[in-house]
Amino acid sequence: ETGVTQTPRHLVMGMTNKKSLKCEQHLGHNAMYWYKQSAKKPLELMFVYNFKEQTENNSVPSRFSPECPNSSHLFLHLHTLQPEDSALYLCASSQPGAIYGYTFGSGTRLTVV
Amino acid sequence: DQQVKQNSPSLSVQEGRISILNCDYTNSMFDYFLWYKKYPAEGPTFLISISSIKDKNEDGRFTVFLNKSAKHLSLHIVPSQPGDSAVYFCAATPFGGGSEKLVFGKGMKLTVNP
Repeated sequence: ETGVTQTPRHLVMGMTNKKSLKCEQHLGHNAMYWYKQSAKKPLELMFVYNFKEQTENNSVPSRFSPECPNSSHLFLHLHTLQPEDSALYLCASSQPGAIYGYTFGSGTRLTVV
Repeated sequence: DQQVKQNSPSLSVQEGRISILNCDYTNSMFDYFLWYKKYPAEGPTFLISISSIKDKNEDGRFTVFLNKSAKHLSLHIVPSQPGDSAVYFCAATPFGGGSEKLVFGKGMKLTVNP
């Protein structure tokens, strides 16, 4: 596989559930990102990882917990979410410190019920 | 406070005509600008970019214009084709593209009618 792959594509979860989103890239990039796209809002950067280390957390609530075990994989662990967390969650990767070659995955459409 | 603004949520044009998508920004530190295109059920894909040292960049049917004094950029698509129907995001970054931090607008849905 090539590019940035996200699974699952769709997820419906209750407010008391725990679930995880997965992102995998095969581009040799060393920076990975989580973005949130809510209806009628800009794409919001949530987390940045460079060489497996978290370098940015944009005031994201603790019910979202990222994990980056290696430069190719990124997870977003979800627990006790709220209905307003329903959104499209996009993963992206690039080389650190550069937007060239910035590549997005297709996203996970999350619905919290 | 939004730093990148796409004030029109949608635009509809006829095939063969010009599509003009506008974007305004407020942060003077931004000096590299990008347009992304997003189809339903897919992630955004890079379309075209422009550095603040230029005021125009052209790639085939797509041209981006930058007016630094007005903090305004626009994407022109000529001629528009039905396959151009998508959501277009304007994005900006500082340090001449030497930062991975992209700031996006809300997006604009373009519909090109056959």
